[in-house]
Formats: sequence, C-alpha cells, structure tokens
Amino acid sequence: DTGVSQNPRHKITKRGQNVTFRCDPISEHNRLYWYRQTLGQGPEFLTYFQNEAQLEKSRLLSDRFSAERPKGSFSTLEIQRTEQGDSAMYLCASSPHSETVLYGYTFGSGTRLTVV
Amino acid sequence: TQLLEQSPQFLSIQEGENLTVYCNSSSVFSSLQWYRQEPGEGPVLLVTVVTGGEVKKLKRLTFQFGDARKDSSLHITAAQPGDTGLYLCAGANRDDKIIFGKGTRLHILP
Repeated sequence: DTGVSQNPRHKITKRGQNVTFRCDPISEHNRLYWYRQTLGQGPEFLTYFQNEAQLEKSRLLSDRFSAERPKGSFSTLEIQRTEQGDSAMYLCASSPHSETVLYGYTFGSGTRLTVV
Repeated sequence: TQLLEQSPQFLSIQEGENLTVYCNSSSVFSSLQWYRQEPGEGPVLLVTVVTGGEVKKLKRLTFQFGDARKDSSLHITAAQPGDTGLYLCAGANRDDKIIFGKGTRLHILP
C-alpha cells in the first residue's frame, strides 16, 4: 500500500468555476477525513466518512461544498462556484475505525487550491 | 468547542540549542498527538500520549502529557536543521475527529 493518495497536487482555477479533488485512502482504513489548512493555521475539520456514510460535516462546509465516498473506497470533494476565500490546502486523511485515539491519522500530501 | 493553543507560534534558534513548545487546552482529551509537517506536504504523526503524566522519547524529542490530560509539551535537545518544520499538537477523543492546534513553526539555523 502506498499510503493516502490525493489528486491533483495543485489546482489553479478562476473564481466561479467548479473543482473536484480525489482522495484514495489506505485500503484497510474505513474512516476518511477531509481537512482544510490555510497559511499559518492548523488543519480545520471539514467532514468525515465511515465506509460510505458521511457521519459529520463542519459548519465550515457551506452548501457549495459536497463530499462523497461511493462504495466506501475513494472520496471526492467538490467545490462549486469557487471563491478566493476557498484558496487553501485540502488535506485528506484515513484511519482504522476506533483506533484514531491511539494511532492518529495517515495524511495524504494534500491538494493546494488557488482561486484567481 | 474544544480548542488547542500552541506556544510559541514561531521559534528560530541556533543549531545545538534546546527548546520546548507547549500545547494547552481547557478540555480533557483521550490522547494528545504531535505531528510534524513539511512545506507542501501533509502532517506526519510523531507520537501519541494517552496516560496522564506519560513521557515518551523519540531520539532527541521528549513528549509529555499533563497529569490532567489537558496539555502537552515537546522538548527538543540539541536541535538540528533537520528538525525545521511545523509542529502540530492534536487532541483526540474516542470515536471522534481529531482537533488540531495552529502549530509552532520551528526554524533551526545552521
């Protein structure tokens, strides 16, 4: 297993366009998390899945954001009608269920989004 | 809302010096975790502390969990340029998401 994979690594888009990011977690991890990180800040929670079920969404996740995890494998995060304030690093992480307390997350390398 | 405050926000010291960074919260956590993040990459887990008062060592890095499980510290002995990075403290509770602090950006000068 090569760890958590995120694509693309970088995305530059014009304001108002839609973008979609993909995350492939570690295959045996049934939990998948999305976080957003801006310069000078720690990662902020967006949403997470257990298998295909989306269990929690942050208030940061406006209705322009949607995430899916069909079949409990890879996940996509879509941002519609992007705004300059959406510019950030979007991080995906995975973990085995009920082991986050002891073993934490395995993060991907992130997708850096720049909205111009 | 659970918050983790890290101090200092920035630290720049000479190679060979010792340093300590702190992570504080008003909330109790089941565990506190420390991650290191390099520019353009995701955070990488360094250590998890679970028991109040626990001390863990990772080569020149020493991690301590407060007795009340609300705070933690990271001490680096004889810092090296390779220690440069963003150090993130994170709190975990059973069956829930992890909460991150804003991080301490450490720069070791050769």
